[in-house]
Amino acid sequence: AQTIHQWPVAEIKAVGSPLSLGCTIKGKSSPNLYWYWQATGGTLQQLFYSITVGQVESVVQLNLSASRPKDDQFILSTEKLLLSHSGFYLCAWSLGGAHQDTQYFGPGTRLLVL
Amino acid sequence: QQQVRQSSQSLTVWEGETAILNCSYENSAFDYFPWYQQFPGEGPALLIAIRSVSDKKEDGRFTIFFNKREKNLSLHIKDSQPGDSATYFCAASAGASGSWQLIFGSGTQLTVMP
Repeated sequence: AQTIHQWPVAEIKAVGSPLSLGCTIKGKSSPNLYWYWQATGGTLQQLFYSITVGQVESVVQLNLSASRPKDDQFILSTEKLLLSHSGFYLCAWSLGGAHQDTQYFGPGTRLLVL
Repeated sequence: QQQVRQSSQSLTVWEGETAILNCSYENSAFDYFPWYQQFPGEGPALLIAIRSVSDKKEDGRFTIFFNKREKNLSLHIKDSQPGDSATYFCAASAGASGSWQLIFGSGTQLTVMP
């Protein structure tokens, strides 16, 4: 069975500090991977997607970047956090290939920027 | 402009009643409509989904009714239980058109009173 793990579970960071969030998928070969952001009490906004190692597409610019260094790993990062980066970050996966639209979400990382 | 709209921010029903959550969309190219259930502090979980070639999808107590002409759909939860209390998100994608984006509505917070 496939599992999706996100780390850390939660972070409290200062404005202007760097950030790195991670996501790992086990049990699925060559999945499509996605990053989402959710404000407290808000909807989900897709940030990035990746269909293969080394290739990442941006959906929304929020002064964040993403990378896919391995087939099963997706990283979200920034060099300088803003207050507006606070929220819930969710990683999701779908089957690899084109038009695989069923997405499954991880447990999320809660981020508070002070 | 909201591409996927959930008209009710919140809904309260009594245990045993049928909860009806509504969703509408703008883009005629959308062809896949999942509903996600999210509990506080957790990632969304896929509940049930429908493709635009169907007008109804049933899975246990959960049924989606889909009206392509009117561009709306609804999620019916039969025999609602207190454990169904959660936020429900309607989402849409246009996979057949080559889009990788899953667009979410603003969510409906369902409360089932015992």
